Amino acid sequence: EVQLVESGGGLVQPGGSLRLSCAASGFTFSSYWMHWVRQAPGKGLVWVSHINSDGRSTNYADSVKGRFTISRDNAKNTLYLQMNSLRAEDTAVYYCARHWDYGESFDLWGRGTLVTVSS
Amino acid sequence: DIQMTQSPSSLSASVGDRVTITCRASQSISSYLNWYQQKPGKAPKLLIYAASNLQSGVPSRFSGSGSGTDFTLTISSLQPEDFAPYYCQQTYTSPYTFGQGTKLEIK
Repeated sequence: EVQLVESGGGLVQPGGSLRLSCAASGFTFSSYWMHWVRQAPGKGLVWVSHINSDGRSTNYADSVKGRFTISRDNAKNTLYLQMNSLRAEDTAVYYCARHWDYGESFDLWGRGTLVTVSS
Repeated sequence: DIQMTQSPSSLSASVGDRVTITCRASQSISSYLNWYQQKPGKAPKLLIYAASNLQSGVPSRFSGSGSGTDFTLTISSLQPEDFAPYYCQQTYTSPYTFGQGTKLEIK
């Protein structure tokens, strides 16, 4: 089955760190750009970061630049998001999503993992 | 950054109605515009890509149009399962910004 499954979310104190994972299956993971998108409770979707297929090129939203790091292990079919210096405003469900080249869109999404930053 | 503005923010309609949601970009994005539906507690689902192309498996009552800065999503005859939030997104350039969402509710 073609799917993405996120894990690693949880409760963390302000200033803390967390690493999210996104396990891909059913498709050739190494051929696709990948993204992280987040959604604060009751709010809209916000793009966070993307990484190209070989992991050499990355980009970040200004709100997370310098604090978050996206990476991937194509041998393990897994995408990561290392989140440091977490703030209350980082509280959200974090989704990983696949970038579909032909349609220039995000055609496959995981179900998300909730990150709560609170003391 | 390119700003995406959807209107309306919320919309009440009945089963069988025809509804249109508008998305405006702060600068030209050619046809790099996508529409997503998100049901409560679920991941977003791609409906329309490249402004007017129906994603595989999406019912034909959904359609999209536009180019440049102005885009629309139309649902020709609302079904009960269509009541959900909808988001537009530009993939013309990073950051790949989303609209704030349109909540489609049952009247």
